[in-house]
Formats: sequence, C-alpha cells, structure tokens
Amino acid sequence: GENVEQHPSTLSVQEGDSAVIKCTYSDSASNYFPWYKQELGKGPQLIIDIRSNVGEKKDQRIAVTLNKTAKHFSLHITETQPEDSAVYFCAASSYGQNFVFGPGTRLSVLP
Amino acid sequence: KAGVTQTPRYLIKTRGQQVTLSCSPISGHRSVSWYQQTPGQGLQFLFEYFSETQRNKGNFPGRFSGRQFSNSRSEMNVSTLELGDSALYLCASSDGQYNEQFFGPGTRLTVL
Repeated sequence: GENVEQHPSTLSVQEGDSAVIKCTYSDSASNYFPWYKQELGKGPQLIIDIRSNVGEKKDQRIAVTLNKTAKHFSLHITETQPEDSAVYFCAASSYGQNFVFGPGTRLSVLP
Repeated sequence: KAGVTQTPRYLIKTRGQQVTLSCSPISGHRSVSWYQQTPGQGLQFLFEYFSETQRNKGNFPGRFSGRQFSNSRSEMNVSTLELGDSALYLCASSDGQYNEQFFGPGTRLTVL
C-alpha cells in the first residue's frame, strides 16, 4: 500500500522567511496530493492541493510542487507570519480515495 | 455553505463500553471518511462511506464500524472500548468524485 514520508518533523523560521516542507510517496498510482493545516483544537484545513497532471500550483503565499518521477511533492510558504504556526500534513490519494497522510510537520514562526 | 459538523465534541467513556459518533457532511457531499488521530500514529484512515455503502476500509479491528444514512450523515461506532482507543476522531466529506476532502472539528474520545 501507499506510504507517505514527511520532513522535517519540526521547523522554526523567523517571521518573513520562507518555509519548505517535503513529502515523498511510494505508490505511483497516487494522483492527488493535498496539504492540510491543523491548528490546536481544530480539524485539518485544506490549504492547497495538486493533481498529477500539474507540476506546480500557487495560491498567494503558498505553493506546491510535484515531481512525479521522483515521487515527491513540497509545500512552500513565503513571507511567513505568526498565524502560519500550526501542524501541516501532506497526503497522497488515488482518485480522491484511500488517503494516506504524512506524520506532520510542526511549523513555528518566530516574531 | 455550512461545514462538516461532528457531535459530540468531547466524550469520556470507560473500558468495555461502546460509543457512537456522528458526522454531518457538507450539503451535497455523498462521501464521508473517518480517521483516527493520535500523537503516536498520526492520522489513520478508518473507513469511507459513499451513497450508504462502505467503499474503502482501513486496517482497524472489527470493533470499529460505521454506517451512512440516506441523507449522507454518518455514524461511527466503537464497541468494547480499550484505553488505546483514546484519540481525536475526525470525519471528512467530499463529493466522492475525485475532489477535495474537508474535515470536521473532530470528536475527542477519552477512555478511562
């Protein structure tokens, strides 16, 4: 079955700097890759996603890149703000089913 | 559009009891998935229901079961609770057609 690895497990950046979180997946059948942000006491919130027919997608300060050959995808957050502090999860899915999540990255943005 | 709702938000049970959790998906969504989230194991997939049928199932014992009603609301049941079942149980809804999955706030279950 699918296995998703995520690095780093914790990340601290200064406000205004960029943050990058990387994930790798094992199943070449996976074709949908969402990223979620989870704040304390809340459920995960979808922040951006990418499908396998696209190499990069951007939404304001957030971007995701996908390398299908290497089976890895990354989340890029630019101009980080304190409110970006949270746990971020990547996931891999085949046609919107059988989601497998990475273990999460705790991002701290220091003012 | 209202988001995914889960009830109750918090539950305390003792070992051996059973529990039922409820999830109401986003209006128009026909797929509901359930996940268990723990600090040690992360987010683990329990099962998915689509149009009242279980479409996918994770690797959890038979004590964990679910169902979906004709209005797409879903319930999850855990019987003979164990201490290790203490977790945040999340449900997520989607239209089931290869599109985004949205999570509810979760039910925090504590087993004493």
